[in-house]
Order: sequence, then structure tokens, then C-alpha cells
Amino acid sequence: QLQLQESGPGLVRPSETLSLTCSVSGGSVSSSLYYWAWIRQSPGKGLEWIASLFYSGSTYYNLSMQGRATISLDTSKNQFFLRLSSVTAADTAVYYCARLRISAANFDLWGRGTLVTVSS
Amino acid sequence: DIQLTQSPSTLSASVGDRVTITCRASQNIDGWLAWYHQKPGRAPKLLIYKASNLESGVPSRFSGSGSGTEFTLTLSTLQPEDFGTYYCQQYQGSSRTFGQGTKVEI
Repeated sequence: QLQLQESGPGLVRPSETLSLTCSVSGGSVSSSLYYWAWIRQSPGKGLEWIASLFYSGSTYYNLSMQGRATISLDTSKNQFFLRLSSVTAADTAVYYCARLRISAANFDLWGRGTLVTVSS
Repeated sequence: DIQLTQSPSTLSASVGDRVTITCRASQNIDGWLAWYHQKPGRAPKLLIYKASNLESGVPSRFSGSGSGTEFTLTLSTLQPEDFGTYYCQQYQGSSRTFGQGTKVEI
């Protein structure tokens, strides 16, 4: 059973860069059937898709991130990553990594999520 | 960007009730809509994909319908474990957006 696990600092200072890792176990990030994605949820709010990528390197971003987000992967480590630059308090959220099933364009597996707080 | 509007925002119901949630898209998304259920402190769980397909392992009391710009999620017989928030999600081109959520209170 494939599992996803987010990791990274729980506290980031304003204007700095948020860096998160998603470790994939029980399956390969090199699968041709799936994209890999980051989604966030601000406290008490709804869900916001941030970015997706395919193992070949194709990437898609939510335009609302205004170029601050970068998604990447390391097939040798079976991990993918999110970097979000110039963070503000508005970036405080639970960040989820997820698997995006290409055939149905939905997120069929999710990590448990990690809370990132932006504060000085 | 395509916007998704769910109604109602909050729903109070009793065990055994039939519950319907609506999701309206600002543009035609054909059948590219999914539904998720989220309990407090947990990640969302996929229920329905491509508007009407039940995800493996999801109870048959959940069903989805619709196409174009209007979609519905129906719970035929509400169970205690069905409380939480339900989200719709669309796919069009390279963009993916979620509805604002419908909180189901039991």
C-alpha cells in the first residue's frame, strides 16, 4: 500500500523560503500513471491546490502562487519537494502531499499533512 | 480560473436522512469532477471521481451525478461517521480547484 509522508520545519520566518519533503513508500514516483502534488489548507479554511509534477519533469502551478512555488522530485530517493519563497502569514497552513491519478484527474492518496506556521 | 460554488455551506441532518450537496462550476468542466470527505484533523478522502464513479472501498450509500456545470453528491442514508466537510474538485486544462466545502453536522 503506497503511503505519503510530509516532513519539514513547522515554523518559517516571514520573507524566508518554506521547504517541504514528501517521502513515498510502497510505490514509485516514476510511475507513468500518476502526477504528484502539493495542496494546502489554511486554518479553518478550504483546500488550495499548489502544484503538480510528473516524473518526466512536467510541472503545473496554481497561478495564484505568483511564481513563488517550485515543485521538484528525486527519483533516486523516491521523494518530491515543495519550495515556497517570500512567505507571509497568509502562507500558514497544513500542507498535504498527494498522488494525482491521471486517468481521473483526482487526488486518490494523501499524506497526513504537516502544519507550517509563518511567524517571526 | 474556474470557480466551484457548493451549496449549502452547512447542513444539519439526522442519522438515516437522505442528504444532497450541490457543486456548480463557473464554466463547463464536462464530467471532470471529484468529491472528497474530510474529518477534523484528517486528510481528505476521495469518494467519487469523474462525477459519478465510486472510488474503491467507498460505501455504496454515496453517489454522484451531473455534467457540464452542475453536479450533486448524494448520501442515501446518513451514518454517524459521515459527519465532516465535503469538497468538490474540478480539473480543466492544467488547473485544479476545490469548492469552499459543505459542513455536515449530525
